[in-house]
Amino acid sequence: GENVEQHPSTLSVQEGDSAVIKCTYSDSASNYFPWYKQELGKRPQLIIDIRSNVGEKKDQRIAVTLNKTAKHFSLHITETQPEDSAVYFCAAPPQTGGSQGNLIFGKGTKLSVKP
Amino acid sequence: NAGVTQTPKFQVLKTGQSMTLQCAQDMNHEYMSWYRQDPGMGLRLIHYSVGAGITDQGEVPNGYNVSRSTTEDFPLRLLSAAPSQTSVYFCASSRPRTSGGVEQFFGPGTRLTVL
Repeated sequence: GENVEQHPSTLSVQEGDSAVIKCTYSDSASNYFPWYKQELGKRPQLIIDIRSNVGEKKDQRIAVTLNKTAKHFSLHITETQPEDSAVYFCAAPPQTGGSQGNLIFGKGTKLSVKP
Repeated sequence: NAGVTQTPKFQVLKTGQSMTLQCAQDMNHEYMSWYRQDPGMGLRLIHYSVGAGITDQGEVPNGYNVSRSTTEDFPLRLLSAAPSQTSVYFCASSRPRTSGGVEQFFGPGTRLTVL
């Protein structure tokens, strides 16, 4: 089955700097990699995703890159703002269990953006 | 649309008590799932359902039961609560994305404490 590892577990940056969070996955057949943001006390919400036939995807200040050969994908946040402070989770679909509705999540990265 | 709703928001149980966490969605999604979130552990899948009448185990199913009698509802039952089940529980429903993969919509969560 799929195993997703996420680093770092905590990340502190100054406002305006960039932040990068990295994840690795184990199943080379995985083809979809979403990122979720969870603000304190709230539910996780999808912020961006990428499919395996694309190497990079951008949406304003956030971008995700995928290296299929190395089996890792990364979230990049540029020009960070205090409202980017949250826990970020990467995920990948399992290849067993018979359901593509499942996601296996990384353990999360707590990002703190200091004004 | 209310999206995914969960009740209760908070619950305190004594060891050995049983209870049911309620989850409902009004988006007509076939796929629903339950996760637990513990500090530093990310989101771990407990049980999931691919449609009414069909359920299966996730990563951490022990101590929990589920049923899916309707598309809308997916309750999670704790048969005999243990302190190790102290956690935040999230229910989610999923829909396929036009770009591929799935998007999970999370409920607001239930914070459970077992004494």
